[in-house]
Amino acid sequence: DAKTTQPNSMESNEEEPVHLPCNHSTISGTDYIHWYRQLPSQGPEYVIHGLTSNVNNRMASLAIAEDRKSSTLILHRATLRDAAVYYCILRTPGGGGADGLTFGKGTHLIIQP
Amino acid sequence: DARVTQTPRHKVTEMGQEVTMRCQPILGHNTVFWYRQTMMQGLELLAYFRNRAPLDDSGMPKDRFSAEMPDATLATLKIQPSEPRDSAVYFCASGLNGLAGYNEQFFGPGTRLTVL
Repeated sequence: DAKTTQPNSMESNEEEPVHLPCNHSTISGTDYIHWYRQLPSQGPEYVIHGLTSNVNNRMASLAIAEDRKSSTLILHRATLRDAAVYYCILRTPGGGGADGLTFGKGTHLIIQP
Repeated sequence: DARVTQTPRHKVTEMGQEVTMRCQPILGHNTVFWYRQTMMQGLELLAYFRNRAPLDDSGMPKDRFSAEMPDATLATLKIQPSEPRDSAVYFCASGLNGLAGYNEQFFGPGTRLTVL
């Protein structure tokens, strides 16, 4: 899987939007962009994924650059419960796409009340 | 609310002892993963199964680790003999092999292993 680069940490205030960036300059044309997060003392959980178009779900939005070399996870109104490590992961489809995830160090998001 | 369950949640053992961790994947999921998380290495894939068959265990130390799926509702990860460097949180995850590029993985709460 291609490599991703994320800031080590970010800080935001409660009830404000948060934009978490991810660079993936070596992304291939078929790689999907996935985001997972890990709350303290819990296992990772899926947040969102996309290929080319921006995506929205109940948890977040994913904005993908036109050249796909970067993406941004957007939390529209952060709460204290959003404090977690956020991982940006590229997935290369093949064999049903059921291969394991390759986690980097992620971004530690701190939410201030 | 379907969840992946893992037992035990915590395990403290002495070096040289055998450790067995268990995972119950979400009913209907056909792919099961084992990950390990340490402060130094972060989250690493150890092994995974599809339809109970092992597909990849390249991340696992072969001499002491073994992973099996005796049936579709149970996955096990065994360490024998255990060493202090095996101290970590071990996560099990399950997913449904579906469309290429999309297979959300559901993680369990983890087993925190401490080897003294």
